[in-house]
Amino acid sequence: EPEVTQTPSHQVTQMGQEVILRCVPISNHLYFYWYRQILGQKVEFLVSFYNNEISEKSEIFDDQFSVERPDGSNFTLKIRSTKLEDSAMYFCASSEEWVGQGVGEQYFGPGTRLTVT
Amino acid sequence: GESVGLHLPTLSVQEGDNSIINCAYSNSASDYFIWYKQESGKGPQFIIDIRSNMDKRQGQRVTVLLNKTVKHLSLQIAATQPGDSAVYFCADTLSGSARQLTFGSGTQLTVLP
Repeated sequence: EPEVTQTPSHQVTQMGQEVILRCVPISNHLYFYWYRQILGQKVEFLVSFYNNEISEKSEIFDDQFSVERPDGSNFTLKIRSTKLEDSAMYFCASSEEWVGQGVGEQYFGPGTRLTVT
Repeated sequence: GESVGLHLPTLSVQEGDNSIINCAYSNSASDYFIWYKQESGKGPQFIIDIRSNMDKRQGQRVTVLLNKTVKHLSLQIAATQPGDSAVYFCADTLSGSARQLTFGSGTQLTVLP
């Protein structure tokens, strides 16, 4: 069964450093998403992406965040200058159609645990 | 603002019994709802979805009920198995915003032997 993969599984970084979280969506999917989940809290939407453009972003996704599809397989989330409050599990997801269209599922990766010290 | 919440943070059921997990949403404009299962150390996994023009939808061992009058959603799991132990949460989309989901806080389901 196809799956979304994410690397690394755990990233430890110092406050102020840049991090790049990597995702490989399912190959025939065109719609990509990043979510985060602070320990013990809800999953929160960050950004959705289609056709090399951000489609929607939440208030969390400020100027410190960026996303990129550098090639035909990877989808990355960059945090330019990490803060302690960025510590969370970051999930990548992909889908054939926009979530909410009711056509197919949104598949989530296993997540990258980011720890900012 | 939009909020999607769960009534109980934990639920314990005996193996073989049916489980019911509840969710309330606040925005009457929400028109698409999804239940996810999240096992420890894994990403959310789609279980079942329902549109606001329906009040019931069934899958394999799972049923979702939607009551738009009271803005309530429930997930029923029949013959609960040990492998059903996980956190379950609902998510919804706002009308006109089909590109993001708002998630509830989750219910930890524990299946007792």
